[in-house]
Amino acid sequence: SYELTQPPSVSVSPGQTARITCSGDALPKQYAYWYQQKPGQAPVLVIYKDSERPSGIPERFSGSSSGTTVTLTISGVQAEDEADYYCQSADSSGTSVVFGGGTKLTVL
Amino acid sequence: EVQLVESGGGLVKPGGSLRLSCAASGFTFSSYSMNWVRQAPGKGLEWVSSISSSSSYIYYADSVKGRFTISRDNAKNSLYLQMNSLRAEDTAVYYCARGIAAAGGTSFFDYWGQGTLVTVSS
Repeated sequence: SYELTQPPSVSVSPGQTARITCSGDALPKQYAYWYQQKPGQAPVLVIYKDSERPSGIPERFSGSSSGTTVTLTISGVQAEDEADYYCQSADSSGTSVVFGGGTKLTVL
Repeated sequence: EVQLVESGGGLVKPGGSLRLSCAASGFTFSSYSMNWVRQAPGKGLEWVSSISSSSSYIYYADSVKGRFTISRDNAKNSLYLQMNSLRAEDTAVYYCARGIAAAGGTSFFDYWGQGTLVTVSS
């Protein structure tokens, strides 16, 4: 079955830039989406269609795509950004939704 | 304001059944696909099932195919998940999520409920 691969953890100091990658063979054909999840809360969409930002999401969140890898970038990381981040896409047929395994972002 | 409120979770024995519900408000429910996503304790997100706005298209993850049935009642603004032959590995928080279709057949989830916990244990 199709898989999306994320690093288990990323650590940055406040004010630095965090980059979280997500790799999958179908990513050149399918959009990627990113969700932020804080403990005990439901996920929140932070990036859609590779690089679009929903209203209400701070400008420091951005997304990019290159080949089979998509990247979530958080510029000027703040303590409140500490959370789990999940990428999501679909298999090449578009009928099966897939999530990456998640990346825990730690703000040192 | 968009609201999704799940209910129906609880403790059930292996092999048992449970029906989850999701009550939607604040948007035109009949215009959107709807989805169930689950999260086992301490684990990541796992897509479970999707249903199109008119119920014409229904998809399931392989892990639940043949055991779970998704349905909706647009007149009642409600989404359902009938879960049969439950296993310990089905233990998770089950989220209801609104779907937005994108090119290539993908959907993403712009609003989520707070989830309902299903525990499968003897």
